[in-house]
Amino acid sequence: AQSVAQPEDQVNVAEGNPLTVKCTYSVSGNPYLFWYVQYPNRGLQFLLKYITGDNLVKGSYGFEAEFNKSQTSFHLKKPSALVSDSALYFCAVPGAGSYQLTFGKGTKLSVIP
Amino acid sequence: KAGVTQTPRYLIKTRGQQVTLSCSPISGHRSVSWYQQTPGQGLQFLFEYFSETQRNKGNFPGRFSGRQFSNSRSEMNVSTLELGDSALYLCASSSGTGGGYEQYFGPGTRLTVT
Repeated sequence: AQSVAQPEDQVNVAEGNPLTVKCTYSVSGNPYLFWYVQYPNRGLQFLLKYITGDNLVKGSYGFEAEFNKSQTSFHLKKPSALVSDSALYFCAVPGAGSYQLTFGKGTKLSVIP
Repeated sequence: KAGVTQTPRYLIKTRGQQVTLSCSPISGHRSVSWYQQTPGQGLQFLFEYFSETQRNKGNFPGRFSGRQFSNSRSEMNVSTLELGDSALYLCASSSGTGGGYEQYFGPGTRLTVT
């Protein structure tokens, strides 16, 4: 079964510092991988996806993610964190033969002014 | 384009009652999925519809059902509500089928069962 894991429940980072939110995956075949963000009392917003090709994927709001096949990781990164980046971040993978998403547990990112 | 809309946004029901939630996908999107989000279980897949056909269903009891209409709008129904059904129910639409298409989520319906 396709799955993703987010090892950190919470990540704290100072405003202006680089941020990383970690995700590892377990899939058969070539993976499709997604990052979503959820602000309080809102639905999920799509940030970026990896399908194939370049290992560095650029997405919305200055976020990017690095796909690493040998480490089965797909970490979300941003060079300079903003207070407005504080939110819940989810890594996700679609099921085999469908696009139902299996989500990680989520990582709460807090950017401290 | 307008995003995914869900109605109602908030709902309070009593145990044993039933509830119907509605979702209107982004114009032109024919794929709709539903998810349940709770603090304990996180985000869990409920159903997936494409062109009025249920393509996939998650591991939920038969009390949870859904359908999709010819205009791609979707509804989900929960009968005989239990306290554990309290959750944020999210609807998502996609422009295509297959794992490579991103899904766009609505704001959710917050269901509270008392």
